[in-house]
Amino acid sequence: GQSLEQPSEVTAVEGAIVQINCTYQTSGFYGLSWYQQHDGGAPTFLSYNALDGLEETGRFSSFLSRSDSYGYLLLQELQMKDSASYFCAVLNTGGFKTIFGAGTRLFVKA
Amino acid sequence: NAGVTQTPKFQVLKTGQSMTLQCAQDMNHEYMSWYRQDPGMGLRLIHYSVGAGITDQGEVPNGYNVSRSTTEDFPLRLLSAAPSQTSVYFCASSYSSGGNTGELFFGEGSRLTVL
Repeated sequence: GQSLEQPSEVTAVEGAIVQINCTYQTSGFYGLSWYQQHDGGAPTFLSYNALDGLEETGRFSSFLSRSDSYGYLLLQELQMKDSASYFCAVLNTGGFKTIFGAGTRLFVKA
Repeated sequence: NAGVTQTPKFQVLKTGQSMTLQCAQDMNHEYMSWYRQDPGMGLRLIHYSVGAGITDQGEVPNGYNVSRSTTEDFPLRLLSAAPSQTSVYFCASSYSSGGNTGELFFGEGSRLTVL
């Protein structure tokens, strides 16, 4: 089977840095993606890691360690608009089948 | 460029009724999938397709049927609706594995209530 674990909630202050961790168990691992979802909206893609290491996209960075079955999303210079749910998702079976974690609710306080 | 289009956006059904959620994409994506999202939860994969004529089950396939007769369309059929199928349904598509960037493109969602 497949499973992903991520914290249910994280609270941080505007301007701070926050890290959202994700551990996974799956067969046929292909890569790890991260998505953001605001209330009432659709998920939007943030980042993807197929190989070990750090990927940086503006204020967002994502890290993967395949040997540890672990990844994280790093959000810097937090803004109020970053308050949303964040999902890690595992790609397997040749990079098509995508399974999502339960999500982490991020609250950004002023 | 429309991207991924889902219809209807809202639907109310009575228990036992059947219906089809439509999904179409204009990006020539090989991969399409359907997810359901219940309040406060993540997305659970219902069915997916890696190309026209090819479909497979995801995590929660019971009570749903799919077909993929064209690259563009991937409808989801509820055979006999049950209150447990009340949810928000998202259709998503992505590129083939040859150019896979890990990105799924989502439709706006279809909010289904079964009474």
